[in-house]
Amino acid sequence: ILNVEQSPQSLHVQEGDSTNFTCSFPSSNFYALHWYRWETAKSPEALFVMTLNGDEKKKGRISATLNTKEGYSYLYIKGSQPEDSATYLCARYMDSNYQLIWGAGTKLIIKP
Amino acid sequence: EPEVTQTPSHQVTQMGQEVILRCVPISNHLYFYWYRQILGQKVEFLVSFYNNEISEKSEIFDDQFSVERPDGSNFTLKIRSTKLEDSAMYFCASSAVLVTYEQYFGPGTRLTVT
Repeated sequence: ILNVEQSPQSLHVQEGDSTNFTCSFPSSNFYALHWYRWETAKSPEALFVMTLNGDEKKKGRISATLNTKEGYSYLYIKGSQPEDSATYLCARYMDSNYQLIWGAGTKLIIKP
Repeated sequence: EPEVTQTPSHQVTQMGQEVILRCVPISNHLYFYWYRQILGQKVEFLVSFYNNEISEKSEIFDDQFSVERPDGSNFTLKIRSTKLEDSAMYFCASSAVLVTYEQYFGPGTRLTVT
C-alpha cells in the first residue's frame, strides 16, 4: 500500500448502533498516525495521535487501535449519536519526511 | 479555548494575481502548517514551518508559494501568480510539538481563482 487508504468511503449507521472503519497505510518507516474528525463547515478536530504498535486510545465513545506491523488502524464508535455524523480522516507520518499524508476519509451519517 | 483563526473565509481572485492567506496560530504553539483540499480530493500537505523557517515542504509547494511569520503572531501563505488549479480550501494548523502531537486546524479559506 503506497497511500493512506480509508474504508468504507461512506457509512450509514442507525442511532444507537456501534460501528467501525479502517485506515490502511504503508507499514514501512512508520512514525505516527493521526485521526481527525471533520464536521461540515467546521475545522478538522484531532481525536488521537498514535505511535506504538498495539496502541489503543479512547475518548468517550470513540476508540482507536493501531497495528504498525501490518499497517492499519481501526476507529470504533460505540452507541452512535447524531452528533457523531462527520467525516473521519486518518493521516500518517513517515520517519523519512515529516509530512502528514492523508486518507480520503470515511463519511459517517447517523440515522435517527 | 484557544483556536486557530484564518482570514478571509473566502477569497476570489483572477488568474495571475497574488493572494495572501492569513492565519493566527495558537499562541504557545511552535509548529505551523498549511494544507489544501481541492474539492472532492484528499487533504494535501503543503508546508511546515518551525523556528522561522520551512522545515518540510511538499512537491506542490513550488516557487509560486511562500510562507512567512512576519510579526510573531500571523502566519501567511502567499501565492504569487494564481492559477485556476490553485482553487481549493486552504487550512492552517499549528501544534505544540511536531509529529506526535495533535494539530489544531483553522476554519479554512476557500480560494476561488477565476
